[in-house]
Amino acid sequence: TQLLEQSPQFLSIQEGENLTVYCNSSSVFSSLQWYRQEPGEGPVLLVTVVTGGEVKKLKRLTFQFGDARKDSSLHITAAQTGDTGLYLCAGVGNNDMRFGAGTRLTVKP
Amino acid sequence: SQTIHQWPATLVQPVGSPLSLECTVEGTSNPNLYWYRQAAGRGLQLLFYSVGIGQISSEVPQNLSASRPQDRQFILSSKKLLLSDSGFYLCAWSASLNYGYTFGSGTRLTVV
Repeated sequence: TQLLEQSPQFLSIQEGENLTVYCNSSSVFSSLQWYRQEPGEGPVLLVTVVTGGEVKKLKRLTFQFGDARKDSSLHITAAQTGDTGLYLCAGVGNNDMRFGAGTRLTVKP
Repeated sequence: SQTIHQWPATLVQPVGSPLSLECTVEGTSNPNLYWYRQAAGRGLQLLFYSVGIGQISSEVPQNLSASRPQDRQFILSSKKLLLSDSGFYLCAWSASLNYGYTFGSGTRLTVV
């Protein structure tokens, strides 16, 4: 079983602050995905990273895939209240995908 | 463009009653279809997946079942609900795991 551990579990910050959340595993993944989920809705795919060491930027969000393809981080610059939500990472392994438990981010105005 | 529809959005059912949740996908053919359950503070638990009509794989033994009567239709059922079946149920489709999932908007099931 490929376990994905996300940290921190909860994060509450003020608007304008920067933050980083982490997704770690002892398993190697062929790709890793990040999703954001708002209350009462399904998760929405933000990005897929495939290559070890890959960095992808989506506006204020920066995603990095570890060199060994076992871990990933999501960095948000100048957080906004609209960034509030549950951030889930998911790793694609041997023909399956496993999700972490998520980081619940609250951005206060 | 592809869309996924899931209903109902919320459901309150008594213990022992049957369940039927439906999911349909539009705009694609032969999608891989998934049912997940999400409990508070925990990750998404894969319940069933299907790579084609009539092909169902179960990940977790339980009193739930799934069926795929048509290419773009996926149904989650139970004959008798348990209290422990309460949760947030999500349907998803993908063309390939590496392309990620598109999730439906979910069904909040409360068994009372």
